[in-house]
Amino acid sequence: NAGVTQTPKFQVLKTGQSMTLQCAQDMNHNSMYWYRQDPGMGLRLIYYSASEGTTDKGEVPNGYNVSRLNKREFSLRLESAAPSQTSVYFCASSEGTVREKLFFGSGTQLSVL
Amino acid sequence: DQQVKQNSPSLSVQEGRISILNCDYTNSMFDYFLWYKKYPAEGPTFLISISSIKDKNEDGRFTVFLNKSAKHLSLHIVPSQPGDSAVYFCAATVGGSNYKLTFGKGTLLTVNP
Repeated sequence: NAGVTQTPKFQVLKTGQSMTLQCAQDMNHNSMYWYRQDPGMGLRLIYYSASEGTTDKGEVPNGYNVSRLNKREFSLRLESAAPSQTSVYFCASSEGTVREKLFFGSGTQLSVL
Repeated sequence: DQQVKQNSPSLSVQEGRISILNCDYTNSMFDYFLWYKKYPAEGPTFLISISSIKDKNEDGRFTVFLNKSAKHLSLHIVPSQPGDSAVYFCAATVGGSNYKLTFGKGTLLTVNP
């Protein structure tokens, strides 16, 4: 059971570079999410997709874009990386709403120099 | 403005004893609460949840208590085991906001053999 798979696990970028974080789930879940976690902070929602074909902003969407490519895949793009985007990024999925358990990937540690 | 507060960054208990992790919230619109556990280098995993219409929910060694008047919830782990050593996040969601969770900063629990 792969669950939620995120790639890459680690990435170092220079300021201004772009990259896409990939996420795929094999549980046939409808909803997918991108969170970031900064040191000493809780997880903060960047974007979510309630269902295939829809995406919405979360708490901290600035500087990011997302694509729900199909029901399985939800990618997060940084168009012009900034040091403030240094963080650990988690993708998650759920059958329906957040009242049902979220299943998280193992995270991507991103450093922007 | 932190709406979900976990005021104890860390907690250390002896194996076999009770662990009590606390969480306070300020938003009276929160109506569903969840606890997630996180091991290093892994994503969070769902532990237990409680609706605001209840004051207690139990699942094996884990019990969550909700005191709505005090805007306080607690997670009890009895008996504590070394494998319970992890960061525990409290999270909450507002009725009608089906896809947004607000997380606390987490409490690092260490269970000593």
